[in-house]
Amino acid sequence: AQTVTQSQPEMSVQEAETVTLSCTYDTSESNYYLFWYKQPPSRQMILVIRQEAYKQQNATENRFSVNFQKAAKSFSLKISDSQLGDTAMYFCGESGSARQLTFGSGTQLTVLP
Amino acid sequence: DAGITQSPRHKVTETGTPVTLRCHQTENHRYMYWYRQDPGHGLRLIHYSYGVKDTDKGEVSDGYSVSRSKTEDFLLTLESATSSQTSVYFCAISDLGANTEAFFGQGTRLTVV
Repeated sequence: AQTVTQSQPEMSVQEAETVTLSCTYDTSESNYYLFWYKQPPSRQMILVIRQEAYKQQNATENRFSVNFQKAAKSFSLKISDSQLGDTAMYFCGESGSARQLTFGSGTQLTVLP
Repeated sequence: DAGITQSPRHKVTETGTPVTLRCHQTENHRYMYWYRQDPGHGLRLIHYSYGVKDTDKGEVSDGYSVSRSKTEDFLLTLESATSSQTSVYFCAISDLGANTEAFFGQGTRLTVV
């Protein structure tokens, strides 16, 4: 069975600073995908960044980047130059060949002015 | 935006009554998922489908059933609603290939009184 663990229920960061959200996962799949989704107060789920496990290069999307450590089964999200609009719940997710998409319990990030 | 809609968006029902939530997609995606979101638990998979009439259980399937008679529709049924099923329910869709992103509906807030 797949499991995804987010050990930080809440985090805060000052505007313009950098913050890292942690995620670990456990899967028996040889090929899988990892995701970070953002859920603002509107409740809409928005894809932030995606990483394919067979790609060693860490994915980046503007101010968002990941640190993918495959051997350690770790997939952390770094947000640079934090903005007030980054305040949201962030979910880490994993999907293998069976496409059973599993998420962690989430990290509530608050960006402070 | 991906064509995925959930209905109803809000519902209040009494304990012991049957409830059906509908997820409709216009993307022709193969995979469809039902999740529930609860504070402290994140998104937990209830059931998912990998094709018409092909479904499987997720992490928290007890008390729920699903049906998928057409590619575009995925129904979640609570046979006899209980207060523990008060939650926000999300439907998601995804497909095979390079674009493995899951697209989410807007969610249904269900209250069982």
